[in-house]
Amino acid sequence: AQTVTQSQPEMSVQEAETVTLSCTYDTSESDYYLFWYKQPPSRQMILVIRQEAYKQQNATENRFSVNFQKAAKSFSLKISDSQLGDAAMYFCAYRSGSSYDKVIFGPGTSLSVIP
Amino acid sequence: DSGVTQTPKHLITATGQRVTLRCSPRSGDLSVYWYQQSLDQGLQFLIQYYNGEERAKGNILERFSAQQFPDLHSELNLSSLELGDSALYFCASSVESSLAGSTDTQYFGPGTRLTVL
Repeated sequence: AQTVTQSQPEMSVQEAETVTLSCTYDTSESDYYLFWYKQPPSRQMILVIRQEAYKQQNATENRFSVNFQKAAKSFSLKISDSQLGDAAMYFCAYRSGSSYDKVIFGPGTSLSVIP
Repeated sequence: DSGVTQTPKHLITATGQRVTLRCSPRSGDLSVYWYQQSLDQGLQFLIQYYNGEERAKGNILERFSAQQFPDLHSELNLSSLELGDSALYFCASSVESSLAGSTDTQYFGPGTRLTVL
């Protein structure tokens, strides 16, 4: 079974600085998708970025980018120019590409942004 | 706004009772997923429906059931409620191609917070 691990329960970053959140996963599949979701205090789950495993190029969305290392099964999220609104719980998630399966979520990393 | 709506936003009820949570997917999305988020369990997948039919089942208790209607909205029914059922219940939707290997992303609704007293 696939698993997703986030080894940093809590992180903090100074406003305008850069922070990297770590995620590792375990799978025997070659076709899959990885996601980062953000959950602010409102508890809404917001998609931040997604990566297809067959793509070598790292996904980017404005200030958010990932470092996808398929061989190492690592999928870290980099937030540049951190803003107060980035403070939230961040979940790394995995979805199989060969089934209609659910998304498997990691335990989350709570990010604080210090003004 | 993801386009997924859930009602009600908050629900307070007593042990032993039965409640129904409702979800309307994004326009055009055929698949609906239900998740439970409690403080000590994180996000847990409960069940998925695709175009009216059950597609996948996760850690869903026998006291819980769901269905997806012809208009694609879905309901999650929770019965014989216990204190431990208190949680945030999310619905997510995706287009979900009928072919394996769909790349569709799941978009989440705002959640229903259930409190069982």
